[in-house]
Amino acid sequence: LAKTTQPISMDSYEGQEVNITCSHNNIATNDYITWYQQFPSQGPRFIIQGYKTKVTNEVASLFIPADRKSSTLSLPRVSLSDTAVYYCLVGDANNAGNMLTFGGGTRLMVKP
Amino acid sequence: EPEVTQTPSHQVTQMGQEVILRCVPISNHLYFYWYRQILGQKVEFLVSFYNNEISEKSEIFDDQFSVERPDGSNFTLKIRSTKLEDSAMYFCASKRQGASGELFFGEGSRLTVL
Repeated sequence: LAKTTQPISMDSYEGQEVNITCSHNNIATNDYITWYQQFPSQGPRFIIQGYKTKVTNEVASLFIPADRKSSTLSLPRVSLSDTAVYYCLVGDANNAGNMLTFGGGTRLMVKP
Repeated sequence: EPEVTQTPSHQVTQMGQEVILRCVPISNHLYFYWYRQILGQKVEFLVSFYNNEISEKSEIFDDQFSVERPDGSNFTLKIRSTKLEDSAMYFCASKRQGASGELFFGEGSRLTVL
């Protein structure tokens, strides 16, 4: 299983762009990279997923370099409500029942 | 928007008692999961389930735990004889065919073992 490493915490201010980087040095060929957001006492919520290069949706962008050993979640213009824990996961796309393992996550604090 | 629902939202039980946590996954999803999160700690994988059998399980998922899909809609987690350290938030998740990492999580069931 590919292990992920993220910063434990980050601080930002409203309106700023936030970039959270995740390292996954032993990512396998079939692994996708997925990011989740979790608010206190709630289940994790899917944000974005990618395999390589750049993926963008209505809430975030995901940048993946060519070697895929890291990925960066980019949150544009954060607000106070983006204060949460963000998790990076890697998982085998061809093994749908696989053990998707959460790491420690990054606790983002957005300040006014 | 379809969602995963879990019951009960909170259960308090005595050590040694059996507990059943229930989940209704999203209707067209085929893969089901249980995770747990001890207060202040990370989300831990317990078990995945597909085609009426366990696909993978973690070392946490020992003989005290079992899962079942009794009626085609519910997905249950049973803890046979609860221990103090089983106190946690238990999250059910489901995933549709072809979506490799996009799990949909329920709001969780908080289990308190006294």
